[in-house]
Amino acid sequence: GQQVMQIPQYQHVQEGEDFTTYCNSSTTLSNIQWYKQRPGGHPVFLIQLVKSGEVKKQKRLTFQFGEAKKNSSLHITATQTTDVGTYFCIQGAQKLVFGQGTRLTINP
Amino acid sequence: DGGITQSPKYLFRKEGQNVTLSCEQNLNHDAMYWYRQDPGQGLRLIYYSQIVNDFQKGDIAEGYSVSREKKESFPLTVTSAQKNPTAFYLCASSIEGGRSGANVLTFGAGSRLTVL
Repeated sequence: GQQVMQIPQYQHVQEGEDFTTYCNSSTTLSNIQWYKQRPGGHPVFLIQLVKSGEVKKQKRLTFQFGEAKKNSSLHITATQTTDVGTYFCIQGAQKLVFGQGTRLTINP
Repeated sequence: DGGITQSPKYLFRKEGQNVTLSCEQNLNHDAMYWYRQDPGQGLRLIYYSQIVNDFQKGDIAEGYSVSREKKESFPLTVTSAQKNPTAFYLCASSIEGGRSGANVLTFGAGSRLTVL
């Protein structure tokens, strides 16, 4: 499976600030999935993007898939302490390979 | 409730001993996966299976073995050949392993293995 590069690796924000993490690939992605892992927990599926230029929203979370299907982003508006965790993007069909993720910590 | 059950949740073993981690799912999913996670790191794929009686190596298969004799079960054995076995092991499943859109992962709660 193709691996995507995710940046930043770490992000610390004040509660209420926005947060964005980016996934980039050198090749065209068939789809991209986003997962969240709370500290000490297991990854939980958030969303899957398939179409070029797709934008999906889940409350304060906005997910985008680039026009060229080579990058994706997750934006959280007005972070809350419940947003703490590591966010992963992955792509792949048979062999689902995770990147390092972006670890978000929040100062209340 | 449908889901994935991993056991044990915590496991301590002496160096040189083989250990088998259990993963059972009642979601009727065809594909199952094993990942390893080290502290502060991402998930690395150990083995995956798209269908019963078939499995493929992931990126870090050395020192591990699996079997897929039943659709609902995908046990992982950490052998004495695995040099640094202490880690958090996560099992996951998906409806299908190959078709885009049908490979969303559902994870178990994980097993923490500590080798003393």
